[in-house]
Amino acid sequence: DAKTTQPPSMDCAEGRAANLPCNHSTISGNEYVYWYRQIHSQGPQYIIHGLKNNETNEMASLIITEDRKSSTLILPHATLRDTAVYYCIVRGEGAQKLVFGQGTRLTINP
Amino acid sequence: NAGVTQTPKFQVLKTGQSMTLQCAQDMNHEYMSWYRQDPGMGLRLIHYSVGAGITDQGEVPNGYNVSRSTTEDFPLRLLSAAPSQTSVYFCASSYDPRAGELFFGEGSRLTVL
Repeated sequence: DAKTTQPPSMDCAEGRAANLPCNHSTISGNEYVYWYRQIHSQGPQYIIHGLKNNETNEMASLIITEDRKSSTLILPHATLRDTAVYYCIVRGEGAQKLVFGQGTRLTINP
Repeated sequence: NAGVTQTPKFQVLKTGQSMTLQCAQDMNHEYMSWYRQDPGMGLRLIHYSVGAGITDQGEVPNGYNVSRSTTEDFPLRLLSAAPSQTSVYFCASSYDPRAGELFFGEGSRLTVL
């Protein structure tokens, strides 16, 4: 599976959009981009995933560049409860194991 | 649905003791896995299973055993605990081994003295 690079930490004001970048320049054609988050010491929570097209669900939007070498997770109206570590993961459809890196620690400030 | 349930939530062991971390899911998921998370680190895969009777090793399997006799349960056994196994352990499951949408338990915090 392709390696991902994320900034170690980010800050965002409450109510603003939080944009979390992820670089995956070695991604191959059949690999998906997944995003998870981990709030404090809880188990990770699935957020969203995509292959080529942009995706949106009730939690977030995922924007994947046309060359698929990078992506951005967007939390449209961040709240204090969105403070967490966010993990960007790339994996192939056939791979059965997700590899979690260090992620980005997002802090939402009041 | 309870989702993924892990027991115990906290455990303290002495070096050399053995114990089993329990994981159960009520979603009829085929895929189950165990991760460990050390302070300030991401999650590392220990073992996983794609269905009853089938298990395989992950990134850090040494010192741990697993079995999958039923779809619902996936226990993790520490044969002879070592201080290096002090960690938080997470169990996760998915409806399809090929799917990347994992459902995680709340974790089991283990301290080995």
